[in-house]
Amino acid sequence: NAGVTQTPKFQVLKTGQSMTLQCAQDMNHNSMYWYRQDPGMGLRLIYYSASEGTTDKGEVPNGYNVSRLNKREFSLRLESAAPSQTSVYFCASGTVNGYTFGSGTRLTVV
Amino acid sequence: AQKITQTQPGMFVQEKEAVTLDCTYDTSDPSYGLFWYKQPSSGEMIFLIYQGSYDQQNATEGRYSLNFQKARKSANLVISASQLGDSAMYFCAMREGVRNFNKFYFGSGTKLNVKP
Repeated sequence: NAGVTQTPKFQVLKTGQSMTLQCAQDMNHNSMYWYRQDPGMGLRLIYYSASEGTTDKGEVPNGYNVSRLNKREFSLRLESAAPSQTSVYFCASGTVNGYTFGSGTRLTVV
Repeated sequence: AQKITQTQPGMFVQEKEAVTLDCTYDTSDPSYGLFWYKQPSSGEMIFLIYQGSYDQQNATEGRYSLNFQKARKSANLVISASQLGDSAMYFCAMREGVRNFNKFYFGSGTKLNVKP
């Protein structure tokens, strides 16, 4: 099925550890996004990539880095995880008419 | 100022009744899009309905309709004949502008519980 695939679904990290969240879409969208979702705060944009080869900061970029590997793949990296980064992370791709989301990654930093 | 405001953190509705979820938005751009997404307990984000700022008629998708009141800057979601499977979190979102569609804002959500 066409869509957005992100891995892993669950992850527990210790403070200071690093990890990369992977995302791939097969809808030939130019734009891809990483959001985090925290209780009572909706979704907040971390980084986005308007097209292959470009990335830009969103609302809450501190502590994260991204790579747009090719048109299909957009990864999110936490270099030194902190408890404040405990959240649910969503990757999305989309057009002017809306987004398609991945199934989410539940990350806990202890 | 908040771009998207959802003032109902939680709501209850009786099965088979209609329910309205409120959403107000703030933009000075004449071209924008309004969206509703559903997030069930399983966590995925499901697109429900879209309304463009220049659309003359309210959008409808099955049991979902969007009550678009441009002058009041409101985009309420109406779910008719509620079902138990409608119990979920609902997010209103706005895409501001046309060219830069990376300006996409979400509200804080409304948790809907459908009672049997």
